Amino acid sequence: DIQMSQSPSSLSASVGDRVTITCRASQTIGDHLNWYQQKPGKAPKVLIYGASGLQGGVPSRFSGSGSGTDFALTITSLQPGDSATYYCQQSHSTPVTFGGGTKVEI
Amino acid sequence: VQLVQSGAEVKKPGASVKVSCKAFGNSFTDNSFHWVRQAPGQRPEWMGWINAGNGNTKYPHTLQGRINITRDSSASTAYMELSSLRSEDSAVYYCTTLVYDILTGYKYFDYWGQGTLVTVSS
Repeated sequence: DIQMSQSPSSLSASVGDRVTITCRASQTIGDHLNWYQQKPGKAPKVLIYGASGLQGGVPSRFSGSGSGTDFALTITSLQPGDSATYYCQQSHSTPVTFGGGTKVEI
Repeated sequence: VQLVQSGAEVKKPGASVKVSCKAFGNSFTDNSFHWVRQAPGQRPEWMGWINAGNGNTKYPHTLQGRINITRDSSASTAYMELSSLRSEDSAVYYCTTLVYDILTGYKYFDYWGQGTLVTVSS
């Protein structure tokens, strides 16, 4: 199974800050990497698919980059509503697997 | 697509649980339904999926033999049954649908149910 790791596990930032979360796969996954946002008591919501594709309805301050084994999610100009836990997920092979999450506090 | 799951369950160790996921919106048989669970403070864990059109299923090796995903097309409902429950199975269980872009090969989970809390306790 492909192992996914994220860093940092948590961070605190201010409104307007630029934040970057990284995700690493244990083997190459091309660009088959998705990012989800999860708020307490809610299901995950896809933000980015295919490493850099912005899901419809997601604000353009969210962006994704990377390929192979190293990926990043960047939030420019952090907003209060961005407080959540963010997960990366590889869809390259079954079983799909998720990173350990990054909790963003504002 | 809107996915509505059954309510919370409390089970004893060794018992089984069956969670339902009713789909509203588009054609039920056009979808693949996946189940993902999440223990408190843990990362999501994929549990398997069913092709609602032909009923084919696939499960991770970690749950083989304990999980059974089925569907009732006439009721637009998918089901996940997990047997031989243990305390480590206590989690929120989600059903979700998969988007598959045939041109790019990209796959991601788009619509999600509200989650069903399953508690395993003696």
